[in-house]
Amino acid sequence: AQKITQTQPGMFVQEKEAVTLDCTYDTSDPSYGLFWYKQPSSGEMIFLIYQGSYDQQNATEGRYSLNFQKARKSANLVISASQLGDSAMYFCAMSGGSARQLTFGSGTQLTVLP
Amino acid sequence: GAGVSQTPSNKVTEKGKYVELRCDPISGHTALYWYRQSLGQGPEFLIYFQGTGAADDSGLPNDRFFAVRPEGSVSTLKIQRTERGDSAVYLCASSQDSKTYNEQFFGPGTRLTVL
Repeated sequence: AQKITQTQPGMFVQEKEAVTLDCTYDTSDPSYGLFWYKQPSSGEMIFLIYQGSYDQQNATEGRYSLNFQKARKSANLVISASQLGDSAMYFCAMSGGSARQLTFGSGTQLTVLP
Repeated sequence: GAGVSQTPSNKVTEKGKYVELRCDPISGHTALYWYRQSLGQGPEFLIYFQGTGAADDSGLPNDRFFAVRPEGSVSTLKIQRTERGDSAVYLCASSQDSKTYNEQFFGPGTRLTVL
């Protein structure tokens, strides 16, 4: 079974500053993928970034980077230079082994302050 | 078309009624997933299709829930004898190939309210 834990129900960050959203995971599969999605108040799920368990380097996509620490089973999302439009719910998710579907965490509500 | 589309966007029904929720995936995507998202929670997996067949339906909560994808494109999630606890946003996602960790593209969801 796979499990995602997001321990920060809510986070605040000042505009233009960086913020880290925490995610830890648990799985017995040696091969898995880790994902981050953004869900604005409008409800759509927007893919942000992906990290494979065998990837040697941390994934980056523009202002998003994934701090992957395999031994600690953590996959934190770092957003640099926060913008007001970054205010949303952020979900960490994973898939792996025989499970192609995503297992999601409970999410972190990020609020960017002007 | 552009992205994943879902209809209706909102559905209000009465307890005990039957509902159908439709998902139209991105053209060419062979994998299709259904999730359910309750208020304040992350999406929970229901079922996924690879082509026309249900590859994994382990997330369906009970036998009142059923889904089909007869031609390997559009999928319909069917809920019989709806209960108030079925109220949630039902999300559909598609990906190019379920054999690799391809990005899943989500639709806007159907908000189901059971009175």
